[in-house]
Amino acid sequence: EPEVTQTPSHQVTQMGQEVILRCVPISNHLYFYWYRQILGQKVEFLVSFYNNEISEKSEIFDDQFSVERPDGSNFTLKIRSTKLEDSAMYFCASSPGGVLSYTFGSGTRLTVV
Amino acid sequence: AQSVTQLGSHVSVSEGALVLLRCNYSSSVPPYLFWYVQYPNQGLQLLLKYTSAATLVKGINGFEAEFKKSETSFHLTKPSAHMSDAAEFFCYVSDRYNQGGKLIFGQGTELSVKP
Repeated sequence: EPEVTQTPSHQVTQMGQEVILRCVPISNHLYFYWYRQILGQKVEFLVSFYNNEISEKSEIFDDQFSVERPDGSNFTLKIRSTKLEDSAMYFCASSPGGVLSYTFGSGTRLTVV
Repeated sequence: AQSVTQLGSHVSVSEGALVLLRCNYSSSVPPYLFWYVQYPNQGLQLLLKYTSAATLVKGINGFEAEFKKSETSFHLTKPSAHMSDAAEFFCYVSDRYNQGGKLIFGQGTELSVKP
């Protein structure tokens, strides 16, 4: 069964550093997403991406964040100048369109120290 | 606009007992409803989904959920809990016209199973 692959599974970074979280969506999917789950809190939508541009973003997704599909297979989330409160599990997801075939990756746990 | 409320951030049951995890939704349009599970150190896995074909939806690992429009609920049940069911469970809602948009999650319910 096709999977969404996220790397790394766990990343530790120093406050103020930049991190790039990587995702390989399912190959025939057209919509890509990032979600975040701070420990003990709900899963929150960050951004959706379609046709090489952001289609929707939440208020969390400020100038500190950016997304890119650099090579037609990878989908990345960049966090510039990380803060302690960015520590969370970050989930990538992809969909061919609509919500019935959403597929989530296993997540990257980001720890900012 | 849609939203979900999961009642109880933590539920503890004994092995063999009934599991009941509550989810109430709010939606101004006919919804799709989903339950996802996150086992320890793993990603989000779809348990089951309601898309209007049948109000009682059966999912993986013996779980099922019933869509009750009159109560705006989509509670998750399992007749007999196993130790391996310990996980975090998320309910979410989306409208049917959501071609490429976000999913709205509840706050999650952590299920513990006691021997």
